[in-house]
Amino acid sequence: SYVLTQPPSVSVAPGETARITCGGNNIGSKSVHWYQQKPGQAPVLAIYYDRDRPSGIPERFSGSNSGNMATLTISRVEAGDEADYYCQVWDTITDYRIFGGGTRLTVL
Amino acid sequence: EVQLVEAGGALAQPGGSLRLSCAASGFTFDDYAMYWVRRAPGKGLEWVAGISWSSDNIDYGDSVKGRFTVSRDNARNSLYLQMNSLRPEDAAFYYCAKDMEKFGMSKILEFWGQGTLVTVSS
Repeated sequence: SYVLTQPPSVSVAPGETARITCGGNNIGSKSVHWYQQKPGQAPVLAIYYDRDRPSGIPERFSGSNSGNMATLTISRVEAGDEADYYCQVWDTITDYRIFGGGTRLTVL
Repeated sequence: EVQLVEAGGALAQPGGSLRLSCAASGFTFDDYAMYWVRRAPGKGLEWVAGISWSSDNIDYGDSVKGRFTVSRDNARNSLYLQMNSLRPEDAAFYYCAKDMEKFGMSKILEFWGQGTLVTVSS
């Protein structure tokens, strides 16, 4: 089955840039979506189709996807960005929606 | 404003059953596929089930296949998850979520409810 690999944690100082990766075999050929989940809250769609932002998501959030790695980039990180972030793809072979293991972003 | 409100979470015994519901408002419910996703304590998100707008396309995650049944009542703007043969590893927050695209199954979870907690213990 298809596996998505994320680092368990990423730490950055306020104002810096956070990059959260999502590794998968030839993931560049698939559409990747990203979700943000703050403690005690429901997940929120942050990026869809690799790089599109839903309304309400700041421009500081961007995405890319190529080869075996997709990346969520958060520029000018703020304390309010602290959350767990999950990547998700649709595996066309199993028809499953697969989530990565999640990355906890800590703002120092 | 889109609202998804889950209910039905409770303490159940191993081998027992629960039925979760999700009340939807703020959008035309019968135009969109809907999903259940769970998150166990200390773990990540896990796909549970999905159902198309017309209920003719349904799928399940491997860990719940044969035990859980997803359904919807478009007249009542409601999504359901019947959970049978519950196991301790089924304990989690269960979220319902709405698909982003009309009349399709884009697999993009545009809006999520706040979740309902299922505990499985004797």
